[in-house]
Amino acid sequence: DAGVIQSPRHEVTEMGQEVTLRCKPISGHNSLFWYRQTMMRGLELLIYFNNNVPIDDSGMPEDRFSAKMPNASFSTLKIQPSEPRDSAVYFCASNQETGTLSEAFFGQGTRLTVV
Amino acid sequence: KNQVEQSPQSLIILEGKNCTLQCNYTVSPFSNLRWYKQDTGRGPVSLTIMTFSENTKSNGRYTATLDADTKQSSLHITASQLSDSASYICVVSIKNQAGTALIFGKGTTLSVSS
Repeated sequence: DAGVIQSPRHEVTEMGQEVTLRCKPISGHNSLFWYRQTMMRGLELLIYFNNNVPIDDSGMPEDRFSAKMPNASFSTLKIQPSEPRDSAVYFCASNQETGTLSEAFFGQGTRLTVV
Repeated sequence: KNQVEQSPQSLIILEGKNCTLQCNYTVSPFSNLRWYKQDTGRGPVSLTIMTFSENTKSNGRYTATLDADTKQSSLHITASQLSDSASYICVVSIKNQAGTALIFGKGTTLSVSS
C-alpha cells in the first residue's frame, strides 16, 4: 500500500482565494483525521471521520473551514476564503480501528502558504 | 479539557549520549499513549504504543514508560545518533462511543550534534 496520500504537497495562494486539500486514506481504514501543524501550536486536530461520517469537528477554527468525505477513499479540506493566518502544514491521517492499539498513519502533509 | 504537555520544548545533546523526554497528560477516557517521531518535512511516524496496563515498551534504542496513576510518560533514547534529530511527539488516544481521536502534545525538538 502506498500509505496515506495527500495533494498537493505545497500550495501557495493569495489571500481570499479558495484552497482545497485532498487526502486518500489507506485502503480499508475506517477513520480519517485532518490535522494542522504550526510552530506555535503544534499539531491540532481539526476534524475526524469514522466510516465517512464526521464525528467531531470542534477543532475546525472557523466557518471558512469545511471538510467532506464523500466515500471511503477520499476526503477534502476546503478553506474559503483563505487568510494569511491559515498558513501551516495540514496533515491527513487514517487508521483501522481494531481495538485499543489501532495505529494511525500520516500522510506527508500539504504545506499551505497564504500571501 | 484534554491536554498533553511535553518537556523540554527543545534539547541539544552530543552524539552517543542518552536523553529522556517527558509527557504529562490529562485525557479522558484514556485508550493508549503513543510516541511519534517527526523528521523535518515529513509526517509523524509511530515509535511505540502503550495501553493502560503497560509500563514500558521498547523499540530498538527507544524505550517508553507509562505511569497511568500519575498520568506521565517518558521516552528514553539510548546512545543517540545524528539521525535521531527530530521532533518527538507524545500522543494520547481517547476512545468513546463516537470513535477514536488523538490528542497531540506540541513535541520536543531534539538536536543531536557530533
